Amino acid sequence: KNEVEQSPQNLTAQEGEFITINCSYSVGISALHWLQQHPGGGIVSLFMLSSGKKKHGRLIATINIQEKHSSLHITASHPRDSAVYICATTGTASKLTFGTGTRLQVTL
Amino acid sequence: DAMVIQNPRYQVTQFGKPVTLSCSQTLNHNVMYWYQQKSSQAPKLLFHYYDKDFNNEADTPDNFQSRRPNTSFCFLDIRSPGLGDAAMYLCATSRDHGLSGYTFGSGTRLTVV
Repeated sequence: KNEVEQSPQNLTAQEGEFITINCSYSVGISALHWLQQHPGGGIVSLFMLSSGKKKHGRLIATINIQEKHSSLHITASHPRDSAVYICATTGTASKLTFGTGTRLQVTL
Repeated sequence: DAMVIQNPRYQVTQFGKPVTLSCSQTLNHNVMYWYQQKSSQAPKLLFHYYDKDFNNEADTPDNFQSRRPNTSFCFLDIRSPGLGDAAMYLCATSRDHGLSGYTFGSGTRLTVV
């Protein structure tokens, strides 16, 4: 069974700071997803990765398949980035295995 | 824009009174999923449809049922809601069991009184 762990669990940053959220998983996967959930809201899919690196605006996601590790970076963070960021993986069963989430608060 | 729409956004129901939550999609995706998410917890998969094929998770209570009358719509029926069923219910779709990613709806927050 795949275990997905995220760190940190909670993160507070000042506006403009560079943020990194880490995700590690225990077994081989077909893809890794980074998801965003604002308080009381639905989930938005940010990235799906199976190798390498992807960039969208101020967000960058990387994955190292050999080390079973992924990172989500936010450059020039803004208060509207405040949300829970969830790492999730899909494996051979094609079901999502969710991480515990990282609660990010960006202050002015 | 192609999307996944959940109605209503907020639902209040009485203890034991049947309730139905709705999900519709304009993506023409094969697979539709229902997740239950309780406060500060990860979403928990209840069941999914691949086209008309229904797949129930082993630990989903019998109180939860689902219908998918056509490609676009999927319903979650809770036959006798208990206080423990209060949660956010999330609908998601994928074209091919997630190989091309997932699209989530905004969720329905269910309150049981």
